[in-house]
Amino acid sequence: GENVEQHPSTLSVQEGDSAVIKCTYSDSASNYFPWYKQELGKGPQLIIDIRSNVGEKKDQRIAVTLNKTAKHFSLHITETQPEDSAVYFCAARRNQGAQKLVFGQGTRLTINP
Amino acid sequence: GAGVSQTPSNKVTEKGKYVELRCDPISGHTALYWYRQSLGQGPEFLIYFQGTGAADDSGLPNDRFFAVRPEGSVSTLKIQRTERGDSAVYLCASSPTGARTEAFFGQGTRLTVV
Repeated sequence: GENVEQHPSTLSVQEGDSAVIKCTYSDSASNYFPWYKQELGKGPQLIIDIRSNVGEKKDQRIAVTLNKTAKHFSLHITETQPEDSAVYFCAARRNQGAQKLVFGQGTRLTINP
Repeated sequence: GAGVSQTPSNKVTEKGKYVELRCDPISGHTALYWYRQSLGQGPEFLIYFQGTGAADDSGLPNDRFFAVRPEGSVSTLKIQRTERGDSAVYLCASSPTGARTEAFFGQGTRLTVV
């Protein structure tokens, strides 16, 4: 089955700097890759996703890149703000067959003022 | 409501007891998922419903766990003879269909077995 590895497990950056979180996946049939932000005591919130037919997607300060050949994808947050502090999860899913999301282990991002 | 609603938000139960966790998906969403999240880990898949039927229950850890969605809307996750290892946050998510659409999560039910 699918296995998703996420790095780093913790990340601390100065406010205004950029943060990058990386994930690798094992199942070449996976073709949907969402990123979730989870704040303390809340459920995961979808912040951006990418499908395998594109290599990059951007939404304001957040961007995701996908390299299908290498089977890895990354989340980029620019101009970080204190409210970006949270745990971020990447996930992967097949479009056909299994519908479940397989999540990475999470990255605790701390933005230092 | 506008989002996925889960009740209760917290549940403390004694080892060996039976518990039910409820999920109200976003109105009109046909796909519903249950995940379990242990402390410091990512969510792990339990079961997926498309309409009323369980399309994939491969993540249920054993036969003490069962879930239903009798009318294709509200779902209930049932855990029999609870064990301390069942303590976790149980998350529910829904999407308009199973394929090619985003999954939206509820806030979760924190289950503590003492």
